[in-house]
Amino acid sequence: EVQLVESGGGLVQPGGSLRLSCAASGFTISSYWVHWVRQAPGKGLVWVSRVNGVDSSTRYTDSVKGRFTISRDNAKNTLYLEMNSLRAEDTGVYHCARGRPQGGYYGMDVWGQGTTVTVSS
Amino acid sequence: DIVMTQSPVSLPVTPGEPASISCRSSQSLLYSDGYHYLDWYLQRPGQSPQLLIYLASNRASGVPDRFSGSGSGTDFTLKISRVEAEDVGVYYCMQALQAPRTFGQGTKVEIK
Repeated sequence: EVQLVESGGGLVQPGGSLRLSCAASGFTISSYWVHWVRQAPGKGLVWVSRVNGVDSSTRYTDSVKGRFTISRDNAKNTLYLEMNSLRAEDTGVYHCARGRPQGGYYGMDVWGQGTTVTVSS
Repeated sequence: DIVMTQSPVSLPVTPGEPASISCRSSQSLLYSDGYHYLDWYLQRPGQSPQLLIYLASNRASGVPDRFSGSGSGTDFTLKISRVEAEDVGVYYCMQALQAPRTFGQGTKVEIK
């Protein structure tokens, strides 16, 4: 079964750090773009970052540039999001989602259940 | 960044009746390959988002054929031919033309 399972969320103080993980099964993440999307409580979806499956290039939304780092471990078939200098506005549920494969575009067709990050003192 | 605007924000629907959601982008989503990079997602209450439509008009695997997507340039529409109770939730359009990907604010569909 094709699946993504996030972990690593929790309560952290402003200025603190967290590392989120997204374990993939049923497919190889190195063959796909993979994204992080977050959702603040009661709010809409916001794209955070992605890593390209082929060349590992990365992109970020402006509000997290310089603070968040997306990476993957192909051997573990796992995606990561290293989050530093966390702010209250980073609070929310973080989902990983599978994007385009090496060829073609088929939307973000697999989503994890999400992991909750709460930034508060 | 490309701004995505959905309407309406809230949509009360009657089971068995059709429903339609509009999505407008601040610039054309047409890429040089001839495709419009516009997706539709549904987030049911308490669940993760799920893909409904990609490239403006292609239904994702397993999506019922009562869902259809259309549009071009900057104007797109998601239609539900006959609403069912399981269709309640928040619908989002998202542009996949360029980074950062951007979502519409969402349309909450609820049963009357």
